[in-house]
Amino acid sequence: DAGVIQSPRHEVTEMGQEVTLRCKPISGHNSLFWYRQTMMRGLELLIYFNNNVPIDDSGMPEDRFSAKMPNASFSTLKIQPSEPRDSAVYFCASRPQGANQPQHFGDGTRLSIL
Amino acid sequence: GENVEQHPSTLSVQEGDSAVIKCTYSDSASNYFPWYKQELGKRPQLIIDIRSNVGEKKDQRIAVTLNKTAKHFSLHITETQPEDSAVYFCAASGGGADGLTFGKGTHLIIQP
Repeated sequence: DAGVIQSPRHEVTEMGQEVTLRCKPISGHNSLFWYRQTMMRGLELLIYFNNNVPIDDSGMPEDRFSAKMPNASFSTLKIQPSEPRDSAVYFCASRPQGANQPQHFGDGTRLSIL
Repeated sequence: GENVEQHPSTLSVQEGDSAVIKCTYSDSASNYFPWYKQELGKRPQLIIDIRSNVGEKKDQRIAVTLNKTAKHFSLHITETQPEDSAVYFCAASGGGADGLTFGKGTHLIIQP
């Protein structure tokens, strides 16, 4: 099992640029979650999908953030335009079907907005 | 929404001693409580979890207890080893909300 795969691992870009983060969940998992980790705010849920459908996006900080899951094996988190305060580590996690199943995290994308 | 408080923020113990980390949650509908270990620059890794129909769960040197009435749960690590040094996060979910709400983390330091 390859685990949750995220790309890129690191991204450095200038403010105002569009940033796209990618995630491939574990095969067979039907729930996918995007989290953000910062020193100040810790680990925060941004959005999650069940069976490719967005269920709760109340954690998305602003309209500059958007997420899609076009199929069961791929999701993107996009920031447009990016700002320095978006700098953080973004984690994707997936989970099998069923209530209270464990979430498995990817290695994260470390994003730096200059 | 759910709020999870975690204490202490830093915990230093001698190698071989026990460590206890405590969390409280606010939403009585929460019914799933995982614990994650995160080493510097790495991803959070699940080490143990407990569901609300169970009061205690143990896996070798790690145990978790849950008190639903008081809305708190704890992580216990016995016979601590240097490789236990990391940041530990508690989390809660349930009641129709699948996403995890995390505590702020505990930096566990094992002194040789």
